Amino acid sequence: KQEVTQIPAALSVPEGENLVLNCSFTDSAIYNLQWFRQDPGKGLTSLLLIQSSQREQTSGRLNASLDKSSGRSTLYIAASQPGDSATYLCAVGPGANSKLTFGKGITLSVRP
Amino acid sequence: GAVVSQHPSWVICKSGTSVKIECRSLDFQATTMFWYRQFPKQSLMLMATSNEGSKATYEQGVEKDKFLINHASLTLSTLTVTSAHPEDSSFYICSAPRTGSDTGELFFGEGSRLTVL
Repeated sequence: KQEVTQIPAALSVPEGENLVLNCSFTDSAIYNLQWFRQDPGKGLTSLLLIQSSQREQTSGRLNASLDKSSGRSTLYIAASQPGDSATYLCAVGPGANSKLTFGKGITLSVRP
Repeated sequence: GAVVSQHPSWVICKSGTSVKIECRSLDFQATTMFWYRQFPKQSLMLMATSNEGSKATYEQGVEKDKFLINHASLTLSTLTVTSAHPEDSSFYICSAPRTGSDTGELFFGEGSRLTVL
């Protein structure tokens, strides 16, 4: 059974800092990995999608990497801003159009 | 990106009543939709997989008679919480992959917060 772990559960950083959010998964037989952002009481916003054959994806100040063999992914946020404060969820899928298994998320607070 | 819409975004009901939540894919077809539940400060837990034109597949421990799922068209799936009780209060989120896409990317609705009094 796939398990996804995100540690720590919460993180507080000053504005402008570069930071890395970690995600690990137990079964390396994944099809893809997605990073999501969730604001309090809201749904999920997809940030980045990495296919199993890819090593990284970039979008603006965000960069996600994937090391499938070791079961790890990182989300790098450059020059953090207060608006980046949210919960960041990592999820993996075993196949195309299949369900995702989620981690518990990391709640990020960026202090002005 | 594709758009998935949920309605209602929040609902309050009395214990014992039934509540229906709709999930629509607005600009793409979805033969499959996934229903998740999220308790406060917890991760999303898959409840069931909704399949257009056939029965839903429920995860272990999810009562299919309590959480009725209907996927009547390629753009609409509904979740009905029957005889709701306070312990059913939660945040329900649906998601769907774009039919025909091989990326596996899932698009999520805005979620529906259910409070059962």
